[in-house]
Amino acid sequence: GQNIDQPTEMTATEGAIVQINCTYQTSGFNGLFWYQQHAGEAPTFLSYNVLDGLEEKGRFSSFLSRSKGYSYLLLKELQMKDSASYLCAVMDSNYQLIWGAGTKLIIKP
Amino acid sequence: IAGITQAPTSQILAAGRRMTLRCTQDMRHNAMYWYRQDLGLGLRLIHYSNTAGTTGKGEVPDGYSVSRANTDDFPLTLASAVPSQTSVYFCASSDLAATSYNEQFFGPGTRLTVL
Repeated sequence: GQNIDQPTEMTATEGAIVQINCTYQTSGFNGLFWYQQHAGEAPTFLSYNVLDGLEEKGRFSSFLSRSKGYSYLLLKELQMKDSASYLCAVMDSNYQLIWGAGTKLIIKP
Repeated sequence: IAGITQAPTSQILAAGRRMTLRCTQDMRHNAMYWYRQDLGLGLRLIHYSNTAGTTGKGEVPDGYSVSRANTDDFPLTLASAVPSQTSVYFCASSDLAATSYNEQFFGPGTRLTVL
C-alpha cells in the first residue's frame, strides 16, 4: 500500500531551526511536495522536490533522497507565524497526490 | 482575482439529506479535485477531474458524486448524508500543462457536520 509518515507534533523555540521529516512508500514517484496549513485555513504550497538534493527558498529548505524514500523540511530563524501544520505529499504514478497526516509545529517564545 | 471559492463555508445537515458543495475557480485550470480532511488523517482524494467533461474516482469516492460541465465549476454532491461524512472538504485546482509539477491551489474549505 501507499504510506506517508511524518511526526504528529513538534515544538521549537522562536529564532531556532527545526527539521520536519517525511518518509514515504508509494506506487511510483513523480515528486514530493511540502504544504503549510494554518489552523482553520487551506493548505498553501511551500516546495517541490523531484531530484535528490536540497532546494532552498528563503528561510525554508526541502531535501529529498529518493533511494531512501525520505524528505525533510528545514525551517530557519523560526517566527511565531510559522506555527502551523506542515503537510508532506507525494505524487504517485497516476499523478495524484498522496498526503501525510501532517506535522503540527508549535513555536514557543 | 478570487482564485478558488467554495460555498457554503460551513453547514449542519441532518442525516439522509442531499447536499451539494460548490467550488468555482477563475484561474482556467484544467484539473480540479475534491478532498476531505479529518483529524489525524491526511487529505484524502474523493473525486477529481483532469479536464471539463471527465471525472475520476479517488481514494474515498463512496457516497459522493461530482460533475464537470465546464472548466470553472466542480460541485460535489452527497446524495444521502451520513454522520461519517462529517469533515472539512477542500476543493483544489491545478494546471496540468503549465508546470512540470502540478502544484495544487486550494479553496478555503467547507466544514460539514452531519447529525
